[in-house]
Formats: sequence, C-alpha cells, structure tokens
Amino acid sequence: EPEVTQTPSHQVTQMGQEVILRCVPISNHLYFYWYRQILGQKVEFLVSFYNNEISEKSEIFDDQFSVERPDGSNFTLKIRSTKLEDSAMYFCASRAGTNQETQYFGPGTRLLVL
Amino acid sequence: QKEVEQNSGPLSVPEGAIASLNCTYSDRGSQSFFWYRQYSGKSPELIMSIYSNGDKEDGRFTAQLNKASQYVSLLIRDSQPSDSATYLCAAHGSSNTGKLIFGQGTTLQVKP
Repeated sequence: EPEVTQTPSHQVTQMGQEVILRCVPISNHLYFYWYRQILGQKVEFLVSFYNNEISEKSEIFDDQFSVERPDGSNFTLKIRSTKLEDSAMYFCASRAGTNQETQYFGPGTRLLVL
Repeated sequence: QKEVEQNSGPLSVPEGAIASLNCTYSDRGSQSFFWYRQYSGKSPELIMSIYSNGDKEDGRFTAQLNKASQYVSLLIRDSQPSDSATYLCAAHGSSNTGKLIFGQGTTLQVKP
C-alpha cells in the first residue's frame, strides 16, 4: 500500500541552525501539506502546496520557513534559523486530488532544538 | 479564529463497551470531517471521513454529522484495549486548499 515517507525520523539541532525536513508524498498525489505538533498540543497546519506553489500558509509559517518540491518526488520543509519553540513533531501529508479529500500522513520528523 | 473543539478526556470505558467521542466546529463553511487515531509519538491515522448529515458506518466505527448543530461524533462499538489512543477530529477549512483544522484530541482508555 502506498504511503508517505519522511526523513529523518529524528533531528537534533542547535538554535540558529538551518534544518531541512524531507518528505516523499504518495505517488500521483497532487496536494501536499506540512503540519506540526508541539508535545501535548494539537496538530497545527503550516502550509499547503499545489501546482508547484504555496496555496495557503498559516501565521506560524513566517519568513523562517520555506517549502520546495525540487523534483517529482520530494517535498521539503526548510527552517532557516531554528528557535527553541520550533521543537515539535513535523508531519507531511498528501492528498490525491480535488475530489479525493482524504489526507494521508507520514510518520513524522521529531525536531529538537537545543 | 476557526476552531474544532473536543473534550480532552481521558474517556475510560470497559472492554466491549461503546465509546462515544464528540467534536464541535465553528466554521459553517466546513464541508468535510475526519476522525484520525493517534498513538503516542505516532502520526495521525485515518479512521473515518464523513461529508453528509447522518450516520456513516465502517465495521465497529460509526461517524455522525449534524451540520445544523455543527457537531461530529464517533462511536466505537465493542471497544478493545487496542483502541486505546487519542482520537483527533478534523475539519476541512472553508478555503479550497484542503487544509485540516484539528481539535486537541480525546484520549480513550479501554480497560480489559
């Protein structure tokens, strides 16, 4: 069964460093998302991506964040200068198309900023 | 601020009982609703989706939607200890991007 994959599973970084979180969405899916979940809190939407551009972003997704689909399979989230409060679980999700509304989530990357 | 609200629990039920999980949402423009299960430290796993008023059944799970009351529920029949997890209610935002707005989740404990 196709699934969303994410790497790395865990990432530890120093405050101020750049991190890149990688995702491989389900093949043939057209809509891609990043969410984050701070420990003990709700899953929060960060950004949606369709047709090689951002379609919506939340207030959390400030200038420190960027997303890219560098090739036909990868979807990346970059945090330019990490802060302590960026420590969270980051989930990538993908959805097939306009009439297919279910989003499938990857296993997540646990980011710890020290 | 568009919100999805859930009682965080924990909801404790004995094995074999029916567990009832509830959710309300504030955005009347939301048309699609989802229940995800999340085990500790893991990603959300889809259980049910529901788009129309009424009930939708899938095995031991029944989702109910009442758009007039802005209310979504999930019933789990014959609850098993393996059902112990956090159940997340999510709604599509009214924008057409498909983003999901999640509730804080209800922790379910099924006791043998």
